[in-house]
Amino acid sequence: EIVLTQSPGTLSLSPGERATLSCRASQSISNNYLAWYQQKPGQAPRLLIYGASSRATGIPDRFSGSGSGTDFTLTISRLEPEDFAVYYCQQYGGSPRTFGQGTKAEIK
Amino acid sequence: EVQLVQSGAEVKKPGESLKISCKGSGYSFTSHWIGWVRQMPGKGLEWMGIIYPSDSDTRYSPSFQGQVTFSVDKSITTAYLQWSSLKASDTAMYYCARGATYSIYWGQGTLVTVSS
Repeated sequence: EIVLTQSPGTLSLSPGERATLSCRASQSISNNYLAWYQQKPGQAPRLLIYGASSRATGIPDRFSGSGSGTDFTLTISRLEPEDFAVYYCQQYGGSPRTFGQGTKAEIK
Repeated sequence: EVQLVQSGAEVKKPGESLKISCKGSGYSFTSHWIGWVRQMPGKGLEWMGIIYPSDSDTRYSPSFQGQVTFSVDKSITTAYLQWSSLKASDTAMYYCARGATYSIYWGQGTLVTVSS
């Protein structure tokens, strides 16, 4: 099973700042099959990024994904108030699929 | 419009059985895997497994194998997650989601509370 470790656990930033979230895998993820989700309280997760760097339909271009192998990054170029939420990475290159433990982006 | 609509919240006692549902609409139900994801209170997302509605091919995460059962009823485009004997530790929000890889479409979640 591929274990995903996200860091930091909590990110305290102000609106307008840049956010950098990390997701590290215990082994290389085939074909960079890594996705990122955003989850707000009381809501289902929302897909942001798939294939490590492809934005899902309707996702603003301030969200970008990068990385390969075992190290992946989600960057939010300028935080908007609605971006404060929990972010999860998920790998689908191996079975079972697994999620990281999440990074909470909170308002400083 | 693709929609996954889940059944309502449940409150059960330990040892009871339960079956929750996820109804798909707006797409070819038998052509897409349906997955289940657990979220315990205040915790992260856990991938439970997937089922292919066309032939009920099922893949469970080892963590959930033997603990739950997935099924489908193609005639009413509905997937199910069931327990034969609930435990307090099954208290969680359960989401269904379309896809065997990443998921664009998610249900709204079903909250299951198990308490004596």
